[in-house]
Amino acid sequence: AQSVSQHNHHVILSEAASLELGCNYSYGGTVNLFWYVQYPGQHLQLLLKYFSGDPLVKGIKGFEAEFIKSKFSFNLRKPSVQWSDTAEYFCAVIFPKDKIIFGKGTRLHILP
Amino acid sequence: GAVVSQHPSRVICKSGTSVKIECRSLDFQATTMFWYRQFPKQSLMLMATSNEGSKATYEQGVEKDKFLINHASLTLSTLTVTSAHPEDSSFYICSAREPLGDQPQHFGDGTRLSIL
Repeated sequence: AQSVSQHNHHVILSEAASLELGCNYSYGGTVNLFWYVQYPGQHLQLLLKYFSGDPLVKGIKGFEAEFIKSKFSFNLRKPSVQWSDTAEYFCAVIFPKDKIIFGKGTRLHILP
Repeated sequence: GAVVSQHPSRVICKSGTSVKIECRSLDFQATTMFWYRQFPKQSLMLMATSNEGSKATYEQGVEKDKFLINHASLTLSTLTVTSAHPEDSSFYICSAREPLGDQPQHFGDGTRLSIL
C-alpha cells in the first residue's frame, strides 16, 4: 500500500544548528514530492517541491531537500536554523491518479 | 487517534450541478478547518479558512459565491461548489486541528471532483 512516513514527530534544536527531517514513501513508481510548513495558527505553505530533474531541490527560506529514489526518501534540510523556523513540517507525496498522502508532520522547536 | 473524514472521495457530475463536500472531525472539535485545492502537477492552494459559527475567510482570487463554505458545528465543515464547470475539476482536501494545546494537524483523504 502507498504510504508516507515522517520519522521524527518532535525535534528540538538550538539556533544555528543544522536540520534534517526525514520523509520516506512506499511506492516503486514515479511520484511527486512536496514539503510544506505550517506556522502556529496558519495554513500550509509550500517550502519546495520535486517533480523531475535535479534531485537536489532548493526552496524558500534556505530549505533544501534531496530526492533519493533508491531510498524512497525526500529529506528536508537546512544548514542553520533560526528561531522563526519553529513550525510544523509536512511531507506530501502525490502517487498515480493524483492521490496525495501527507506524512503525520514533524513539530520543530527552535530554542533561542 | 484523531481522524478527519472527508466525503465523498470521488464525484463525477455534469456541468451546472452543485456539489457538496463534507469534512468531519471524528473524535475532536475543530473550531478551524482549512480547505485546499490542488491542480495536477502543482502544490496545494489554500482556498479558505472555515471558522465555526462565523463566515469563512477566503483567499484572494477564490470566489466566495462559487465555493460556499459552511462550518455549522464544531465537527463539520462543508464546501459546496455551486454550478460547477469543467474548470472546477480538481482535488479538494480539508484539514483540521484540535483547538486546545499543541495538537497535531489532521488531513482528510481528499475529494476528486470531475465535472463533465
